[in-house]
Amino acid sequence: GESVGLHLPTLSVQEGDNSIINCAYSNSASDYFIWYKQESGKGPQFIIDIRSNMDKRQGQRVTVLLNKTVKHLSLQIAATQPGDSAVYFCAENEPSTGANNLFFGTGTRLTVIP
Amino acid sequence: NAGVMQNPRHLVRRRGQEARLRCSPMKGHSHVYWYRQLPEEGLKFMVYLQKENIIDESGMPKERFSAEFPKEGPSILRIQQVVRGDSAAYFCASSPLAGGQNIQYFGAGTRLSVL
Repeated sequence: GESVGLHLPTLSVQEGDNSIINCAYSNSASDYFIWYKQESGKGPQFIIDIRSNMDKRQGQRVTVLLNKTVKHLSLQIAATQPGDSAVYFCAENEPSTGANNLFFGTGTRLTVIP
Repeated sequence: NAGVMQNPRHLVRRRGQEARLRCSPMKGHSHVYWYRQLPEEGLKFMVYLQKENIIDESGMPKERFSAEFPKEGPSILRIQQVVRGDSAAYFCASSPLAGGQNIQYFGAGTRLSVL
C-alpha cells in the first residue's frame, strides 16, 4: 500500500487555541480517510471520517478538510483542551488493493499547554 | 454496549515460547482486523478475518504468525516461537460491514514483551 505521512511529528498548543494537524497521502485512488486519537496506553479512538467525494466535514469541535488536488488532509480542533493531548493518526483506505484494511500514518503528538 | 475486548492487556514471553492474543469484536460485528504497533510508530495492518475465514493476510509474516476467527469464540492471533522483534502492541479492530469505507473500532491492545 501507499504510505501515509504527516508533516509534523509533534505539535504544542496553548489551551484554548485551535490546533491543526496535517496529513499527506500519496495514493490518489484512496477514497476514505479516518482520523484517530490515541492516548498513552490505549487503543486508537475514532474521531471523524471523510469520503473522497467531500472536501469538508465537521464534528463536535473538530473539522476535517480534504484537498484531493494536493493529496492533503487536515484535522482542526477548536478550543483545544488538555484532554486533547494524544497522538493523532490519519488512516486511509485504498479500494484498488481490494483491501479492507486501513493504512496508518506515523502520527502527530499533540501536547496542550495549560 | 461493550467495545472491542482484548486480552490479555500485557503478555510476557521468553524467546521460543508461544503467544496467544484474543479479541472479541463489538456486538454485531463480524469483521475483525489485527494490527501491530511499534513504539512511536503507526499501526501496521496484519490480517482481516470474517467468521471462519481469512480474507486478507497480506500483512502477516509468512512464518510463525497465524490468525483465526472461529464460528464461536474470540479471534486469536497466535505467534509461535517468539523472538525479541515480536515485542510490540497488537491491536484488534472490528467493523459491522465489509468494505473499506467503514469505521474500524479498536480495542485497548495487548502489549507483548519478549524477554
